[in-house]
Amino acid sequence: GQNIDQPTEMTATEGAIVQINCTYQTSGFNGLFWYQQHAGEAPTFLSYNVLDGLEEKGRFSSFLSRSKGYSYLLLKELQMKDSASYLCAVRGLTGGGNKLTFGTGTQLKVEL
Amino acid sequence: DGGITQSPKYLFRKEGQNVTLSCEQNLNHDAMYWYRQDPGQGLRLIYYSQIVNDFQKGDIAEGYSVSREKKESFPLTVTSAQKNPTAFYLCATSPGRAEYEQYFGPGTRLTVT
Repeated sequence: GQNIDQPTEMTATEGAIVQINCTYQTSGFNGLFWYQQHAGEAPTFLSYNVLDGLEEKGRFSSFLSRSKGYSYLLLKELQMKDSASYLCAVRGLTGGGNKLTFGTGTQLKVEL
Repeated sequence: DGGITQSPKYLFRKEGQNVTLSCEQNLNHDAMYWYRQDPGQGLRLIYYSQIVNDFQKGDIAEGYSVSREKKESFPLTVTSAQKNPTAFYLCATSPGRAEYEQYFGPGTRLTVT
């Protein structure tokens, strides 16, 4: 099975940098995803890591260490619109290789 | 334009009634998924289908049923056997095994009283 942990809530200041951590324990690993979800809306894809290291995409970066079962999402130059829930999801090896298990999400609040 | 449609956005039902949530896609994706989301909990997988006429149970399939008669459609029926049906239901698709992310529809918020 899969177990995914991420902090429930975080608060940061506009213009700052915030790091959202995710740790996982899985019986099989085939990639880790980060999604952003605004209240009452659908999750939208942010990033994907399958190999160790950092993936950068504009203001967002994601890091993976498979040996430690650890990932983080880094958000730079925070904007008010970044206030949302950030979901960490792990793809296992069952279900045709695209079955995702989601963490409970980290609610990020960006303040002035 | 391409996308995933879930209707309606809000749905209200009386306890004891079955209700079917629709999910339609024109992305030509092979795989489709149903998740439920409750406050303070992550998305939990109900059912998924990788090809037409085939589907598998997810982690919380009890009280739900699905069909996949067409590639474009994957309706979810919430039966009266589901003890806590009130939730936000999300449908997702993905192109297939070789692709990465799942794409989500706008969701249906079901309230059963």
